[in-house]
Amino acid sequence: SAVISQKPSRDICQRGTSLTIQCQVDSQVTMMFWYRQQPGQSLTLIATANQGSEATYESGFVIDKFPISRPNLTFSTLTVSNMSPEDSSIYLCSVEAAGTGPGELFFGEGSRLTVL
Amino acid sequence: GQNIDQPTEMTATEGAIVQINCTYQTSGFNGLFWYQQHAGEAPTFLSYNVLDGLEEKGRFSSFLSRSKGYSYLLLKELQMKDSASYLCAVRGGAGKSTFGDGTTLTVKP
Repeated sequence: SAVISQKPSRDICQRGTSLTIQCQVDSQVTMMFWYRQQPGQSLTLIATANQGSEATYESGFVIDKFPISRPNLTFSTLTVSNMSPEDSSIYLCSVEAAGTGPGELFFGEGSRLTVL
Repeated sequence: GQNIDQPTEMTATEGAIVQINCTYQTSGFNGLFWYQQHAGEAPTFLSYNVLDGLEEKGRFSSFLSRSKGYSYLLLKELQMKDSASYLCAVRGGAGKSTFGDGTTLTVKP
């Protein structure tokens, strides 16, 4: 299993500003992902955070808007840049770790961002 | 690409059995997962299927038919605390998981 700490847990941000979300895992993991969950909706994968190389972004998400760092196997950051109200969402860090079955995902508690 | 369909909402009575269906069309398949998400909380793992058949885990069971692109989650002896959103997710290539829109289950007394 894996225990994931995310911060901030919530924040209210002004339009045009940027915010960095941190994700700390209690063990070394290879696969780390960032998801977005908009109100009342399911999870959408933003990118895979790769250790030592650039993140792999999904369609509709770009590095300039969502820069990601992964300096080691236990830590990652996601920055939401030049925010607009449409970026109001919950951002979740997730890792793949040994659990009941291969590929099981563990999630952080999420960072709830409100952009005014 | 990935396409995952599940019902938006379901309602059931405490003590009853409910089945939540999930159909998927994916370009790669490395397992199907069910997660539970209570309001305001992060998703937590419930079950995993990679081979056809039924996996039982206490009050929860999950079934998979790869040829039909179909899975279901079966919840028995429903309790009020089972009121939550249930997410069907397919793990594809490169370890990435794609989630369905979730089924909101309401358990009534």
